[in-house]
Amino acid sequence: EDQVTQSPEALRLQEGESSSLNCSYTVSGLRGLFWYRQDPGKGPEFLFTLYSAGEEKEKERLKATLTKKESFLHITAPKPEDSATYLCAVRLSNDYKLSFGAGTTVTVRA
Amino acid sequence: DGGITQSPKYLFRKEGQNVTLSCEQNLNHDAMYWYRQDPGQGLRLIYYSQIVNDFQKGDIAEGYSVSREKKESFPLTVTSAQKNPTAFYLCASSISTNQPQHFGDGTRLSIL
Repeated sequence: EDQVTQSPEALRLQEGESSSLNCSYTVSGLRGLFWYRQDPGKGPEFLFTLYSAGEEKEKERLKATLTKKESFLHITAPKPEDSATYLCAVRLSNDYKLSFGAGTTVTVRA
Repeated sequence: DGGITQSPKYLFRKEGQNVTLSCEQNLNHDAMYWYRQDPGQGLRLIYYSQIVNDFQKGDIAEGYSVSREKKESFPLTVTSAQKNPTAFYLCASSISTNQPQHFGDGTRLSIL
């Protein structure tokens, strides 16, 4: 079954138009939630790890937050170079592996 | 620069042929992984290795094989038993299995 669901599938933004991406998960015993950025034809680039509800991490125009059931990736005043596919993944308490969502493709127009 | 190198970037397989994808890392990471990425789907784990000379099957290991003879290297062989091999293959590594994984830039495999 699907354990990690990302929404929306695609997001088109005007430069400077802030928005949020959602990653919801249906598992219990979360041992970590990871956000990655992936450019076309490239491998994912690690952005953040979140471990507990209420935790927040920031990097430039990106801010990731975590609740007990979902995580948000907020993009503030995006620029065209923020265009990419953003992936989230979760690790369970008794598992070694990451379960990935299908990603949200963000396009920022100048 | 430290990183993960995958080669080749593009690979074509003929029917009945085995092909091997290379993955090398100079990050001194113990754990290495192979994923498959298909359009509209999340990354799926093929194999992983926590340490040299040891590896385990992931969710979709059928039709694939790996070896881990050196810490730096984790090659993936796509065998003729894999009937739908067309995909983007990603190799990753991490300091240990509970640390963030870092990825190479992938190999795109197609059928001739």
